[in-house]
Amino acid sequence: DVKVTQSSRYLVKRTGEKVFLECVQDMDHENMFWYRQDPGLGLRLIYFSYDVKMKEKGDIPEGYSVSREKKERFSLILESASTNQTSMYLCASMLGSLETQYFGPGTRLLVL
Amino acid sequence: SQELEQSPQSLIVQEGKNLTINCTSSKTLYGLYWYKQKYGEGLIFLMMLQKGGEEKSHEKITAKLDEKKQQSSLHITASQPSHAGIYLCGAVVDSNYQLIWGAGTKLIIKP
Repeated sequence: DVKVTQSSRYLVKRTGEKVFLECVQDMDHENMFWYRQDPGLGLRLIYFSYDVKMKEKGDIPEGYSVSREKKERFSLILESASTNQTSMYLCASMLGSLETQYFGPGTRLLVL
Repeated sequence: SQELEQSPQSLIVQEGKNLTINCTSSKTLYGLYWYKQKYGEGLIFLMMLQKGGEEKSHEKITAKLDEKKQQSSLHITASQPSHAGIYLCGAVVDSNYQLIWGAGTKLIIKP
């Protein structure tokens, strides 16, 4: 069975802190994605990766960075968290184009 | 305006009634995905449509793709409380891996 896991379900951080969100998939998928989800805005792509050590900016990369050192793991980093980064963060993985994207359970981040 | 418009934004339906959610793209559709999300959780894949006129069903949920209209509809027959949640459509509109997403439709089922 397909599985995408995220390191935390809920996270509370202070403004200025460095935040790491980790995502692991067990399907040997090439492609992994980080989205944020905010009410009324749907899913917005932050970054995606199509291979180990490869990354591409999505629609809203500002304030974020990513790391993909191993195929199964894709990390999202908030270098200096700000209150406008309070959101639901969703990780997904996909084998190839026009394949199914599988999502993790999400991390709800609150930045105070 | 969004490239992928979902309507309605929210829907309250009496249990047992039918309902339809629409997803309209401003660009040519190469593929259209439907997902369901329980509040505060991740997305669960429902169906994917690729060809114009294609129709897929799973239990009481049917999705159709109208390629000419660049639109997909999701129809639920005889709604149940388990159908409640947020329904999102995602579309592949070019040859890369990215999906664009609708804002979601919040479905509430009244007992």
